[in-house]
Formats: sequence, structure tokens, C-alpha cells
Amino acid sequence: DADVTQTPRNRITKTGKRIMLECSQTKGHDRMYWYRQDPGLGLRLIYYSFDVKDINKGEISDGYSVSRQAQAKFSLSLESAIPNQTALYFCATSDPRQGNTQYFGPGTRLTVL
Amino acid sequence: AQSVSQHNHHVILSEAASLELGCNYSYGGTVNLFWYVQYPGQHLQLLLKYFSGDPLVKGIKGFEAEFIKSKFSFNLRKPSVQWSDTAEYFCAVEGSSNTGKLIFGQGTTLQVKP
Repeated sequence: DADVTQTPRNRITKTGKRIMLECSQTKGHDRMYWYRQDPGLGLRLIYYSFDVKDINKGEISDGYSVSRQAQAKFSLSLESAIPNQTALYFCATSDPRQGNTQYFGPGTRLTVL
Repeated sequence: AQSVSQHNHHVILSEAASLELGCNYSYGGTVNLFWYVQYPGQHLQLLLKYFSGDPLVKGIKGFEAEFIKSKFSFNLRKPSVQWSDTAEYFCAVEGSSNTGKLIFGQGTTLQVKP
């Protein structure tokens, strides 16, 4: 969905480096989410934000941090990347007034060497 | 803890075959249920969803799913698959309504042979 964009789309980095993944949306949704997808494990929630001042840890937040700079922007940071953070990362948005259906971005493929 | 289980990890079908993908969840309260599809190289898209009402819901591209509360199941079906249905399918559950937090199953890879 072009309304949710993620940058970069692909990134290769080295162990110990700091990495930021960015997500922007034009849907006007208050709620935003970060997931990681690993083969055989589906998607797992890292962090979620219900508005600019409301940020919550998800299922697997260790090693990650987030920043909600504005309603439209939600960034995910890996302070010191490690190889087991190699995964496909998805951002999503939702609107509780529309049943909380989540709309996903195209994903960022991150490889940590 | 809530969990979602998709029993079929990899399904291979020929075109025109019927499809049923299983999804079971563990959660005692009210749930909202979703099926998402991820075509090769693309992001997740919503196939269909169930919030309340008729337990048989219809989605896009001829897919449907049936919510059976007593079995904690939400199986996805399609009477006749096409090669273009080749994708990965994810079942997801939102418990404690309106939290927005989805629990995803492991995913099922569907390969349709022409």
C-alpha cells in the first residue's frame, strides 16, 4: 500500500552498528506498529504506538528502540545490531474507528553480518 | 498467553483444486480475526476479517473463512485456486478488542502448480 512507506528497502550492515529504519504514512492513522518477520515464525510485534505520546513494547522489544516523531512517522532503531536481528521488518498503521485493520508497508530487508 | 497456530506450513495444489488452510487460536475472550496474504516480493494485504455477525465471511479474490467459536478456529477456504494464488497466508488474532495488537500465526506457504 503506497500510503505506508518504509526506508530503506534493503540494508546490509555489520555487527555493532547502529541502524534506523523509517516508516511514514499518509493514511492519517494514529496507531503505528513495527513487526519483524522470520521464516517459520510469522510476524512478531516489536513496538507499537497509539499516538505520539503513547509508545508500548511488543512481544520482542529487546535490542530495539523506537521514536514517534509525528503522527505520520515512526522509526525503529537497532542500537547495536547483531546477526540474529537479520529479518524482514514491516511497519503498519491502523485506525480504531475503522476496526483496527492494519495496513502494511513494503518492508525493509535487513542483513546483519 | 495468546497464540495462533496454522497447521499447514507448506501446501502444494494444482490449479482448480480446492483449498482449506487451518487456523486455531488460544484466547478465552472476544476476538477479531484476520487473514492476510503476502504475494512474492510484496507486502501483506488483508484478505478478509471477522469482527462479529455472520461467522462465514467473504473476502477478496474468492476467498472465504468460517469462524467456529467452539473450536477456536478460523479456517480459510477457496473452492478453486489459481496459479496467481501462490503466496504466503497468515492468520492473525486481535484479542481484548480494540487494542490493535495482532498475534500472527506462523504462516502457510501455498504453491499452486499451473
